[in-house]
Amino acid sequence: KAGVTQTPRYLIKTRGQQVTLSCSPISGHRSVSWYQQTPGQGLQFLFEYFSETQRNKGNFPGRFSGRQFSNSRSEMNVSTLELGDSALYLCASMPPRLGTGGRETQYFGPGTRLLVL
Amino acid sequence: GQQLNQSPQSMFIQEGEDVSMNCTSSSIFNTWLWYKQDPGEGPVLLIALYKAGELTSNGRLTAQFGITRKDSFLNISASIPSDVGIYFCAGQLKGSGNTGKLIFGQGTTLQVKP
Repeated sequence: KAGVTQTPRYLIKTRGQQVTLSCSPISGHRSVSWYQQTPGQGLQFLFEYFSETQRNKGNFPGRFSGRQFSNSRSEMNVSTLELGDSALYLCASMPPRLGTGGRETQYFGPGTRLLVL
Repeated sequence: GQQLNQSPQSMFIQEGEDVSMNCTSSSIFNTWLWYKQDPGEGPVLLIALYKAGELTSNGRLTAQFGITRKDSFLNISASIPSDVGIYFCAGQLKGSGNTGKLIFGQGTTLQVKP
């Protein structure tokens, strides 16, 4: 089974621009979560989508948004980029849960490295 | 926001030595996960734990879900050079509204001297 894929792998933008990142989950996975990783803050949760609906959201400004399509692929968008948005953006997919057990197991993609100049 | 306290921050060991790292929190977790991340790559899942007291092995790796559900540890036995990398603990908090959201520790950087 193919793993989580993310495109593009690297991106350079300038302040004020916007950017869209794409994530394709593992086949059969319907939940996609996004994280921002920086040296200073570590891995921080952005949001999670399931069945095209945002199910959970982290503490990021409204400039960060996302969506999910009917094939479970997800995109995240960052508008009005700031220098501090430079980071590795990771998405992770989660398999369907069995029963009612809390089996939160997330598999990560390779990430998109965003540099804002 | 919520944090996991992961220690040690870094380790420099000799090949063949055993390694131990742990994560603690003041909150209760439903799930504990351990990941390894190489430079420029995404975290790779090593071990997943779902029940308090659960002890799980994956080759030379062993991890446990603490009885109080507030901590977890990871042991690596007989380390080899390819064990080099950053190890993260991650957990899902107990309670509704936490689906899809993992809280991460700060990471343990492991260096192995051949």
